[in-house]
Amino acid sequence: AQTVTQSQPEMSVQEAETVTLSCTYDTSESDYYLFWYKQPPSRQMILVIRQEAYKQQNATENRFSVNFQKAAKSFSLKISDSQLGDAAMYFCAYRRWSGYSTLTFGKGTMLLVSP
Amino acid sequence: DADVTQTPRNRITKTGKRIMLECSQTKGHDRMYWYRQDPGLGLQLIYYSFDVKDINKGEISDGYSVSRQAQAKFSLSLESAIPNQTALYFCATSPGHSYNEQFFGPGTRLTVL
Repeated sequence: AQTVTQSQPEMSVQEAETVTLSCTYDTSESDYYLFWYKQPPSRQMILVIRQEAYKQQNATENRFSVNFQKAAKSFSLKISDSQLGDAAMYFCAYRRWSGYSTLTFGKGTMLLVSP
Repeated sequence: DADVTQTPRNRITKTGKRIMLECSQTKGHDRMYWYRQDPGLGLQLIYYSFDVKDINKGEISDGYSVSRQAQAKFSLSLESAIPNQTALYFCATSPGHSYNEQFFGPGTRLTVL
């Protein structure tokens, strides 16, 4: 079974600075998808970014980018120019390549942003 | 205009009561999911359905049951609620292609006294 590990229960960053959230996963498969979801205090789950394992290029979405290291099974999220609105719980998630598969989530990292 | 809605948003009930949480979606997706979120544990999959006639157990299905009444509706029942089922419950949907993400409802906060 696949497992997803987020080793940082909580991280802090100041506005305008950069922070990196870590995620590692365990799988025996070569093709899969990885996701970062954000859960602000409103508790709504929001997709931040997605990475297909077959793509070597790291995904980026505005201030959010990932560092995908397939051999190391590592998928970290970098948030640049942090904003107060980035404060949230962040979840890393894994999904098998097969169309009939589900998401496996990590336990989350709480990101605190200070002025 | 929410695409995935959950009712109720908050519920307090007593041990032993039967509870139903409902999920509706207007996204036209075939696949629907129920998750439970506990502090420090992330989201755990309870049940999922890839189409109207398909129901599958997730990793923590004991004490729960589901019904897929239509493509747009997927309800979760707790037949006899217990205090350790106090949690935040999410419904999610996804389309049929393989690369897609899941779209989440706003969540239901359930407290069992």
